Amino acid sequence: EVQLVESGGGLVQPGRSLRLSCAASGFTFDDYAMHWVRQAPGKGLEWVSGISWSSGSIGYADSVKGRFTISRDNAKNSLYLQMNSLRAEDTALYYCAKSDCGADCLIDYWGQGTLVAVSS
Amino acid sequence: QSALTQPASVSGSPGQSITISCTGTSSDVGSYNLVSWYRQHPGKAPKLMIYEGSKRPSGVSNRFSGSKSGNTASLTISGLQAEDEADYYCFSYVGSSTWVFGGGTKLTVL
Repeated sequence: EVQLVESGGGLVQPGRSLRLSCAASGFTFDDYAMHWVRQAPGKGLEWVSGISWSSGSIGYADSVKGRFTISRDNAKNSLYLQMNSLRAEDTALYYCAKSDCGADCLIDYWGQGTLVAVSS
Repeated sequence: QSALTQPASVSGSPGQSITISCTGTSSDVGSYNLVSWYRQHPGKAPKLMIYEGSKRPSGVSNRFSGSKSGNTASLTISGLQAEDEADYYCFSYVGSSTWVFGGGTKLTVL
């Protein structure tokens, strides 16, 4: 059974940094691309970033480009999102999501999310 | 990376069929056969319902179907049931390892 467990969320002041983690299990992690998707309170889904199995292909939404960095450690079956220069509009539930192939693939499984609140 | 356009809400009675549209551009929906649809119940994580425009994952009811014409993808739900009431999102590849969601559609079963 695919399991994705996010952690690292919390309350942070504007301008500060936060690092999210996602622990994956139930599948061969290094075979699949991964994504981060967020959902602001009461709003729709927003794709944030994606990374291929090898980390060779990475993409970001314009809203986070230059501030967020996605990475993965295949030896630890883990996905990360380093978030710098956080803004109030980054407040959201952040989902870790698995792709259905190694690169440039859609999402087939989701975690339960970790909540990030940016406020002074 | 503009969000794909979906109607904010649709509704239907039990047993009826509804269709949700997802309009993009020739740079996203129109260029790739990589449109997927997700259902999200309140307080829950999204669930994949349709992928590559018209394929159903194992376990998803055949009441759900997808199609694409030009820059617009569509999700049709036939034989509406109370459990179908949820938010629905389309998702498309945009190129250069980037993706975009639709704004979401709230389905109400009357």
